[in-house]
Amino acid sequence: DQQVKQNSPSLSVQEGRISILNCDYTNSMFDYFLWYKKYPAEGPTFLISISSIKDKNEDGRFTVFLNKSAKHLSLHIVPSQPGDSAVYFCAGQAAGNKLTFGGGTRVLVKP
Amino acid sequence: NAGVTQTPKFQVLKTGQSMTLQCAQDMNHNSMYWYRQDPGMGLRLIYYSASEGTTDKGEVPNGYNVSRLNKREFSLRLESAAPSQTSVYFCASRPTSGGAKQFFGPGTRLTVL
Repeated sequence: DQQVKQNSPSLSVQEGRISILNCDYTNSMFDYFLWYKKYPAEGPTFLISISSIKDKNEDGRFTVFLNKSAKHLSLHIVPSQPGDSAVYFCAGQAAGNKLTFGGGTRVLVKP
Repeated sequence: NAGVTQTPKFQVLKTGQSMTLQCAQDMNHNSMYWYRQDPGMGLRLIYYSASEGTTDKGEVPNGYNVSRLNKREFSLRLESAAPSQTSVYFCASRPTSGGAKQFFGPGTRLTVL
């Protein structure tokens, strides 16, 4: 049973436009949600997080939205830059501070 | 600060061989984690250690053992490697406070023939 799903394996967007990445979850016990970015041959790096009691968190070009009733979160990147080309993972934190990750979305930003 | 370091970066094993993946962090974090990443499956938790002296199973612990040697070091051992353990392995650490953020190492790419 996949508790965290990223249904779009890839996304292509023009430089300067908005990238929207989506994530669905089933575990109501997640208390935090996180987005990580991963370049090839590197470890994931933290991007932004949101507490389950909030519905929006913003950090520069990155905004995460949480819709608890729909068990859905999204990451908006505005404006998209070529350096944003990477694989993005969403994750939920449950008991024991353990993270459960989605399968990832590969983003390609075209110049 | 080096953050989270992992050795080796690459390893090729034959079926049945054993090896230990090393992980160390210099951020004084209490919690440490081992994940594996397979294509299309994201990262899956193998084992974790909430604090020095404790370890617990994650989602996919079969075929692995861990040792929390001290606060800095958390090793992952494959006693008898199998081709299904071909994967990229990531170690992570997490501070006690500061939300849910985990810090990841650069990974070890393991191939079992």
